[in-house]
Amino acid sequence: EAGVAQSPRYKIIEKRQSVAFWCNPISGHATLYWYQQILGQGPKLLIQFQNNGVVDDSQLPKDRFSAERLKGVDSTLKIQPAKLEDSAVYLCASSLDFRGLNTEAFFGQGTRLTVV
Amino acid sequence: GQNIDQPTEMTATEGAIVQINCTYQTSGFNGLFWYQQHAGEAPTFLSYNVLDGLEEKGRFSSFLSRSKGYSYLLLKELQMKDSASYLCAVSRNRDDKIIFGKGTRLHILP
Repeated sequence: EAGVAQSPRYKIIEKRQSVAFWCNPISGHATLYWYQQILGQGPKLLIQFQNNGVVDDSQLPKDRFSAERLKGVDSTLKIQPAKLEDSAVYLCASSLDFRGLNTEAFFGQGTRLTVV
Repeated sequence: GQNIDQPTEMTATEGAIVQINCTYQTSGFNGLFWYQQHAGEAPTFLSYNVLDGLEEKGRFSSFLSRSKGYSYLLLKELQMKDSASYLCAVSRNRDDKIIFGKGTRLHILP
């Protein structure tokens, strides 16, 4: 079974530039998560999708971050414009079931973003 | 809101046993995950506890007390490859939101 795919693995941009990350979840997984992980900290949930609908985006900085999940499969996360404090690893995860049934999340390798 | 607490760092010796504690406060608790994360890698699933009690899986065991908002991960016969961060995460039952603690960095000494 293929895992969660993310690209790119690494990205370096200057502040005020824009950047986009892509995620392809495990086939058949309805729930998709984007997490931000700053060095030395645990992952922080940015946004959660159930199919192509947003379940929770309360911690997404909506003035600069946006995310979509077209057709309930792939997802993109965009930052525009980027700030220095956005430097982090952006992890995409997916899980099979909803409503508390078998909600183990499988993670992709992440995209390491450096803003200079 | 949610609050998940775990120690920032722990050190143990190869071959020994270590227990990593996690306390949580959350509304609509469903279950508790433990993930392992090696430096520069993605988190990998270790365990998921929904009911009270101990679940054993090889060298790793996880315990949950729902009434106390408490869990621990027990690692036996420590190996050098167990050096990693261990993330406690809580699942919420109304929306499957998974909230992570800050992680515990475990250092294994020879």
